Amino acid sequence: EDQVTQSPEALRLQEGESSSLNCSYTVSGLRGLFWYRQDPGKGPEFLFTLYSAGEEKEKERLKATLTKKESFLHITAPKPEDSATYLCAVQVPGNQFYFGTGTSLTVIP
Amino acid sequence: EAGVAQSPRYKIIEKRQSVAFWCNPISGHATLYWYQQILGQGPKLLIQFQNNGVVDDSQLPKDRFSAERLKGVDSTLKIQPAKLEDSAVYLCASSQDSNYGYTFGSGTRLTVV
Repeated sequence: EDQVTQSPEALRLQEGESSSLNCSYTVSGLRGLFWYRQDPGKGPEFLFTLYSAGEEKEKERLKATLTKKESFLHITAPKPEDSATYLCAVQVPGNQFYFGTGTSLTVIP
Repeated sequence: EAGVAQSPRYKIIEKRQSVAFWCNPISGHATLYWYQQILGQGPKLLIQFQNNGVVDDSQLPKDRFSAERLKGVDSTLKIQPAKLEDSAVYLCASSQDSNYGYTFGSGTRLTVV
């Protein structure tokens, strides 16, 4: 059964304190791994797509990496405006997407 | 580029009543998705349309949920009759190319009392 697990469920960081969020997956045929940001009361906002192990993508303070079993979202020197829930999703053959339950990030000034 | 439009933003109904949600995707996006997001969980796919045809509705509770996408543009999702466990945010998303992920709307928050 296809499965996506995110950890930790919640993370509190001081402003400037770097950390990583994890997304591990068990799927039959990964077509792509997607990271989204979701603010309260809003729909998820697309951040990155990764397709193959070893691939990395960066955007401002965020860097996403992919291995054969998991992906990491590294947050360097976070700011309070980075506070949000970060969701990962895997795309399998048939263009189906399976989402994890998300990591709720709070950055304290 | 206008985003994915959804209405209403909020809806409160009593159990066993019916409710409908509307979605207008980004112009030119052939693929449209309806997701259910229960509080504290990730979105769960309910139905996927390619133009006006259904690609995947395997997780749609068909005894009470229905969806249509007339003319391959707007879509409506209906629940009849609603149950308490249907309380969730219903998200619509569209994509032109799945390699770039979806664009989500802001969702409709449904509360069934």
